[in-house]
Amino acid sequence: DGGITQSPKYLFRKEGQNVTLSCEQNLNHDAMYWYRQDPGQGLRLIYYSQIVNDFQKGDIAEGYSVSREKKESFPLTVTSAQKNPTAFYLCASSAPRDGRGNEQFFGPGTRLTVL
Amino acid sequence: QKEVEQNSGPLSVPEGAIASLNCTYSDRGSQSFFWYRQYSGKSPELIMSIYSNGDKEDGRFTAQLNKASQYVSLLIRDSQPSDSATYLCAVGRISYNKLIFGAGTRLAVHP
Repeated sequence: DGGITQSPKYLFRKEGQNVTLSCEQNLNHDAMYWYRQDPGQGLRLIYYSQIVNDFQKGDIAEGYSVSREKKESFPLTVTSAQKNPTAFYLCASSAPRDGRGNEQFFGPGTRLTVL
Repeated sequence: QKEVEQNSGPLSVPEGAIASLNCTYSDRGSQSFFWYRQYSGKSPELIMSIYSNGDKEDGRFTAQLNKASQYVSLLIRDSQPSDSATYLCAVGRISYNKLIFGAGTRLAVHP
Protein backbone atom coordinates (compact mmCIF):
# COMPACT_ATOMS: atom_id res chain seq x y z
CA ASP A 1 0.00 0.00 0.00
CA GLY A 2 1.28 3.43 -0.90
CA GLY A 3 1.08 6.07 1.76
CA ILE A 4 2.66 8.32 4.33
CA THR A 5 3.64 7.07 7.77
CA GLN A 6 4.49 9.13 10.81
CA SER A 7 5.95 7.93 14.08
CA PRO A 8 5.47 7.96 16.91
CA LYS A 9 1.73 8.56 17.18
CA TYR A 10 2.17 10.16 20.62
CA LEU A 11 5.31 11.79 21.98
CA PHE A 12 6.09 13.37 25.32
CA ARG A 13 8.92 15.83 25.70
CA LYS A 14 10.56 17.17 28.80
CA GLU A 15 11.63 20.77 29.08
CA GLY A 16 14.96 21.40 27.34
CA GLN A 17 14.84 18.19 25.33
CA ASN A 18 15.13 17.82 21.56
CA VAL A 19 12.83 15.30 19.91
CA THR A 20 12.63 14.03 16.33
CA LEU A 21 9.41 13.16 14.51
CA SER A 22 9.62 10.69 11.67
CA CYS A 23 7.87 11.00 8.29
CA GLU A 24 8.24 8.42 5.51
CA GLN A 25 6.41 8.17 2.18
CA ASN A 26 6.43 5.51 -0.53
CA LEU A 27 4.36 7.51 -3.03
CA ASN A 28 7.45 8.61 -4.98
CA HIS A 29 6.47 12.22 -4.29
CA ASP A 30 9.11 14.90 -4.73
CA ALA A 31 7.72 17.45 -2.28
CA MET A 32 7.21 17.00 1.46
CA TYR A 33 5.85 19.32 4.14
CA TRP A 34 5.58 19.71 7.89
CA TYR A 35 2.62 21.49 9.48
CA ARG A 36 1.63 22.27 13.00
CA GLN A 37 -2.00 22.34 14.12
CA ASP A 38 -3.13 23.80 17.41
CA PRO A 39 -6.59 23.13 18.87
CA GLY A 40 -9.32 24.84 16.89
CA GLN A 41 -6.86 26.31 14.43
CA GLY A 42 -5.80 25.71 10.87
CA LEU A 43 -2.52 24.31 9.60
CA ARG A 44 0.64 26.36 9.82
CA LEU A 45 3.60 25.48 7.61
CA ILE A 46 6.88 24.79 9.44
CA TYR A 47 9.22 23.59 6.67
CA TYR A 48 8.89 22.16 3.19
CA SER A 49 11.17 20.43 0.73
CA GLN A 50 10.68 20.24 -3.01
CA ILE A 51 13.63 17.99 -3.73
CA VAL A 52 16.25 15.90 -1.96
CA ASN A 53 18.94 17.89 -0.11
CA ASP A 54 16.91 21.09 -0.32
CA PHE A 55 14.34 22.61 2.03
CA GLN A 56 12.80 25.99 2.83
CA LYS A 57 11.42 27.62 5.94
CA GLY A 58 7.72 28.01 6.23
CA ASP A 59 5.81 30.51 8.33
CA ILE A 60 6.83 29.22 11.77
CA ALA A 61 10.29 27.61 11.37
CA GLU A 62 11.86 29.01 14.54
CA GLY A 63 12.72 26.25 17.00
CA TYR A 64 12.48 23.50 14.38
CA SER A 65 14.96 21.82 12.03
CA VAL A 66 14.63 19.32 9.17
CA SER A 67 16.73 17.26 6.79
CA ARG A 68 15.98 15.67 3.42
CA GLU A 69 18.70 13.15 2.71
CA LYS A 70 16.37 10.69 0.97
CA LYS A 71 13.34 11.23 -1.22
CA GLU A 72 11.23 9.04 1.05
CA SER A 73 12.11 10.66 4.37
CA PHE A 74 11.65 14.12 5.90
CA PRO A 75 12.27 14.07 9.68
CA LEU A 76 11.42 17.05 11.85
CA THR A 77 13.37 17.90 15.01
CA VAL A 78 11.65 20.01 17.63
CA THR A 79 14.45 21.72 19.51
CA SER A 80 14.52 23.14 23.02
CA ALA A 81 14.35 26.58 21.43
CA GLN A 82 10.68 25.94 20.55
CA LYS A 83 8.98 27.35 23.61
CA ASN A 84 5.49 26.04 23.04
CA PRO A 85 5.80 22.74 21.16
CA THR A 86 2.62 21.06 22.35
CA ALA A 87 0.60 20.53 19.17
CA PHE A 88 -0.50 18.05 16.50
CA TYR A 89 2.23 17.68 13.85
CA LEU A 90 1.27 16.69 10.33
CA CYS A 91 3.52 15.59 7.49
CA ALA A 92 2.31 15.80 3.90
CA SER A 93 3.63 15.09 0.43
CA SER A 94 2.76 16.07 -3.11
CA ALA A 95 3.83 15.31 -6.65
CA PRO A 96 3.73 18.65 -8.46
CA ARG A 97 5.15 17.28 -11.70
CA ASP A 98 2.62 14.52 -12.27
CA GLY A 99 -0.06 16.83 -13.63
CA ARG A 100 -2.21 16.76 -10.49
CA GLY A 101 -1.38 20.29 -9.46
CA ASN A 102 -0.16 20.67 -5.93
CA GLU A 103 -2.66 18.59 -3.97
CA GLN A 104 -1.16 17.32 -0.77
CA PHE A 105 -1.71 14.05 1.06
CA PHE A 106 -1.28 13.75 4.78
CA GLY A 107 0.15 11.22 7.16
CA PRO A 108 -1.73 10.23 10.35
CA GLY A 109 0.08 12.83 12.50
CA THR A 110 2.11 12.90 15.71
CA ARG A 111 0.68 14.43 18.85
CA LEU A 112 3.47 16.05 20.88
CA THR A 113 3.00 17.03 24.51
CA VAL A 114 5.54 18.88 26.62
CA LEU A 115 5.70 17.76 30.23
CA GLN B 1 -7.45 40.09 6.32
CA LYS B 2 -6.62 36.39 6.45
CA GLU B 3 -5.38 34.80 3.24
CA VAL B 4 -8.03 32.07 3.36
CA GLU B 5 -11.17 32.67 5.39
CA GLN B 6 -13.81 30.23 6.53
CA ASN B 7 -16.65 30.55 8.98
CA SER B 8 -15.61 28.50 12.01
CA GLY B 9 -19.14 27.23 12.65
CA PRO B 10 -20.45 24.99 13.90
CA LEU B 11 -22.75 24.60 10.94
CA SER B 12 -25.59 22.42 12.08
CA VAL B 13 -27.77 20.67 9.48
CA PRO B 14 -30.36 17.89 9.76
CA GLU B 15 -29.67 14.51 8.26
CA GLY B 16 -30.60 14.41 4.57
CA ALA B 17 -30.21 18.15 4.06
CA ILE B 18 -27.66 19.99 1.92
CA ALA B 19 -24.68 21.40 3.79
CA SER B 20 -23.06 24.45 2.22
CA LEU B 21 -19.52 25.36 3.24
CA ASN B 22 -17.87 28.54 2.03
CA CYS B 23 -14.34 29.84 1.65
CA THR B 24 -12.89 33.14 0.41
CA TYR B 25 -9.28 33.82 -0.49
CA SER B 26 -7.20 36.93 -1.01
CA ASP B 27 -4.59 35.93 -3.64
CA ARG B 28 -6.04 36.62 -7.09
CA GLY B 29 -3.30 34.51 -8.65
CA SER B 30 -4.49 31.33 -6.93
CA GLN B 31 -4.87 28.40 -9.31
CA SER B 32 -5.66 25.33 -7.23
CA PHE B 33 -8.36 24.84 -4.65
CA PHE B 34 -8.93 21.93 -2.33
CA TRP B 35 -11.35 20.72 0.30
CA TYR B 36 -10.13 18.47 3.08
CA ARG B 37 -12.22 16.67 5.69
CA GLN B 38 -10.73 16.25 9.16
CA TYR B 39 -12.36 14.10 11.80
CA SER B 40 -11.60 14.95 15.41
CA GLY B 41 -8.12 13.75 16.37
CA LYS B 42 -7.33 12.60 12.83
CA SER B 43 -5.35 14.02 9.91
CA PRO B 44 -6.94 15.87 6.96
CA GLU B 45 -8.23 13.78 4.06
CA LEU B 46 -8.49 15.25 0.56
CA ILE B 47 -12.06 15.03 -0.71
CA MET B 48 -12.27 17.52 -3.60
CA SER B 49 -9.96 19.51 -5.86
CA ILE B 50 -10.98 22.14 -8.38
CA TYR B 51 -8.91 24.23 -10.77
CA SER B 52 -11.32 26.05 -13.10
CA ASN B 53 -14.45 28.16 -12.66
CA GLY B 54 -17.71 26.32 -12.31
CA ASP B 55 -18.90 23.19 -10.57
CA LYS B 56 -17.21 19.85 -10.06
CA GLU B 57 -19.27 16.95 -8.75
CA ASP B 58 -18.06 13.76 -7.09
CA GLY B 59 -20.77 11.62 -5.54
CA ARG B 60 -22.57 13.63 -2.88
CA PHE B 61 -19.95 16.39 -3.01
CA THR B 62 -19.93 19.41 -5.32
CA ALA B 63 -17.16 21.98 -5.35
CA GLN B 64 -17.94 25.40 -6.82
CA LEU B 65 -15.31 27.93 -7.85
CA ASN B 66 -15.75 31.60 -8.76
CA LYS B 67 -12.33 33.18 -9.33
CA ALA B 68 -13.77 36.63 -10.07
CA SER B 69 -15.37 36.70 -6.62
CA GLN B 70 -12.43 34.78 -5.04
CA TYR B 71 -14.86 32.31 -3.61
CA VAL B 72 -14.94 28.54 -3.40
CA SER B 73 -17.64 26.42 -1.83
CA LEU B 74 -18.41 22.81 -1.02
CA LEU B 75 -21.92 21.39 -1.12
CA ILE B 76 -22.69 18.10 0.58
CA ARG B 77 -25.98 16.59 -0.54
CA ASP B 78 -27.98 14.13 1.57
CA SER B 79 -25.84 14.92 4.62
CA GLN B 80 -25.15 12.02 6.96
CA PRO B 81 -24.06 11.99 10.60
CA SER B 82 -20.77 10.51 9.34
CA ASP B 83 -20.15 13.80 7.50
CA SER B 84 -19.77 15.54 10.86
CA ALA B 85 -16.19 16.82 10.80
CA THR B 86 -14.14 19.94 10.24
CA TYR B 87 -13.75 20.92 6.60
CA LEU B 88 -10.58 22.73 5.60
CA CYS B 89 -10.29 24.88 2.50
CA ALA B 90 -6.81 25.11 0.93
CA VAL B 91 -5.66 27.42 -1.85
CA GLY B 92 -2.43 27.68 -3.79
CA ARG B 93 -0.48 28.61 -6.86
CA ILE B 94 0.88 25.61 -8.71
CA SER B 95 4.24 27.29 -9.29
CA TYR B 96 4.69 27.99 -5.57
CA ASN B 97 4.10 24.37 -4.59
CA LYS B 98 2.60 25.48 -1.27
CA LEU B 99 -0.94 25.64 0.02
CA ILE B 100 -2.57 28.13 2.36
CA PHE B 101 -5.14 26.57 4.65
CA GLY B 102 -8.19 28.13 6.21
CA ALA B 103 -8.95 27.46 9.87
CA GLY B 104 -11.82 25.18 8.92
CA THR B 105 -15.58 24.98 9.35
CA ARG B 106 -17.01 22.49 11.80
CA LEU B 107 -20.03 20.67 10.41
CA ALA B 108 -22.49 18.87 12.65
CA VAL B 109 -25.14 16.67 11.00
CA HIS B 110 -27.85 15.70 13.45
CA PRO B 111 -30.31 12.79 13.02
